[in-house]
Amino acid sequence: GQQLNQSPQSMFIQEGEDVSMNCTSSSIFNTWLWYKQDPGEGPVLLIALYKAGELTSNGRLTAQFGITRKDSFLNISASIPSDVGIYFCAGRGSQGNLIFGKGTKLSVKP
Amino acid sequence: EAQVTQNPRYLITVTGKKLTVTCSQNMNHEYMSWYRQDPGLGLRQIYYSMNVEVTDKGDVPEGYKVSRKEKRNFPLILESPSPNQTSLYFCASSFYRGSEPQHFGDGTRLSIL
Repeated sequence: GQQLNQSPQSMFIQEGEDVSMNCTSSSIFNTWLWYKQDPGEGPVLLIALYKAGELTSNGRLTAQFGITRKDSFLNISASIPSDVGIYFCAGRGSQGNLIFGKGTKLSVKP
Repeated sequence: EAQVTQNPRYLITVTGKKLTVTCSQNMNHEYMSWYRQDPGLGLRQIYYSMNVEVTDKGDVPEGYKVSRKEKRNFPLILESPSPNQTSLYFCASSFYRGSEPQHFGDGTRLSIL
């Protein structure tokens, strides 16, 4: 079946540093999504990407839809303590199904 | 306030004792789904529903049932729970399949002893 490889699995960084994470797949996706999950809560959508090559920003977050449609990355600039959480990528296939990556756990040291 | 509400939030129970996790949304969404989240595996879809009386299997449906008798409710039923169903469960809804954002509930942590 379709799978996403998300890396890194975890990151421990200093406040103010930039963060980069990515997802790759052997399958093509029509939509790439990035979610953040805070402890004790459900995932919340950060950025949605609908077109190959698309680069979209949401505040300090920037995400890109790879031109091969098989990958996406998320960057967070100037991290702050509230960026802590688990970040998930998700790809939506042609059937409408949503496949999630395994998550990147981000820890930020003040 | 737009919400997806799950109950209970936490449950510890024993193998074989039927349980139901309720999910309700107040956004008039047609599409609802259930996911389970396990360490190192991310979220995997169990079942989904595209509208009232329309349900279909996701990636990991074994051992689960769902029903969609009303638009707002989408309960998850474990007829005979087993320890391998110990997990964190999320209900989600959106206007239709493929529309964003999908709104998630706050999760239900099930422990099956």
